[in-house]
Amino acid sequence: KAGVTQTPRYLIKTRGQQVTLSCSPISGHRSVSWYQQTPGQGLQFLFEYFSETQRNKGNFPGRFSGRQFSNSRSEMNVSTLELGDSALYLCASSPAGASGSREQFFGPGTRLTVL
Amino acid sequence: AQSVSQHNHHVILSEAASLELGCNYSYGGTVNLFWYVQYPGQHLQLLLKYFSGDPLVKGIKGFEAEFIKSKFSFNLRKPSVQWSDTAEYFCAVNAKLTGGGNKLTFGTGTQLKVEL
Repeated sequence: KAGVTQTPRYLIKTRGQQVTLSCSPISGHRSVSWYQQTPGQGLQFLFEYFSETQRNKGNFPGRFSGRQFSNSRSEMNVSTLELGDSALYLCASSPAGASGSREQFFGPGTRLTVL
Repeated sequence: AQSVSQHNHHVILSEAASLELGCNYSYGGTVNLFWYVQYPGQHLQLLLKYFSGDPLVKGIKGFEAEFIKSKFSFNLRKPSVQWSDTAEYFCAVNAKLTGGGNKLTFGTGTQLKVEL
């Protein structure tokens, strides 16, 4: 099976702009999660989507949002970018079902730089 | 809120040495436990996982981990490391959530360097 794919791989934006990142999960996986990785804060959970609904949420401001489509592909949006949003954004897909949890498989990430 | 501690931030070993990386978590309920590895220039890969059953789990590339519930620990071990094991290792915990699903809490990672 093909792995998790993320586009674009690199992005450069300026403060105040908004950005949309895309993730295609492993075929058959309905759960998609997003994580932010920075040198200072490490890996932090943003949110998880399952069957087009946000199922779990981390402690990030409302500027961070996401959605999931009927084919399980997911997008993440960050509005009004700040310098501190510069990070590697990771998408992970999982075969988790409606009530359980399972292992997650990570994509290569999107490197966002905010100038 | 749950948290995960990895006490060794940087570890340097010679080839063939034994490895043990510590991981402790704080959460009193049911948890699923994972170790992920990130090789230089590559993305996070699942090394091994624990959901239930035998607390000693085996993963890829000769790695194993032992879940000790009373100590809230999930330490990673390998009897004999190779130069190719040079990577960053992350311990992660997924607490059982009311609505189900995934919400991993990661440790800060351990950078392992294996010297020839």
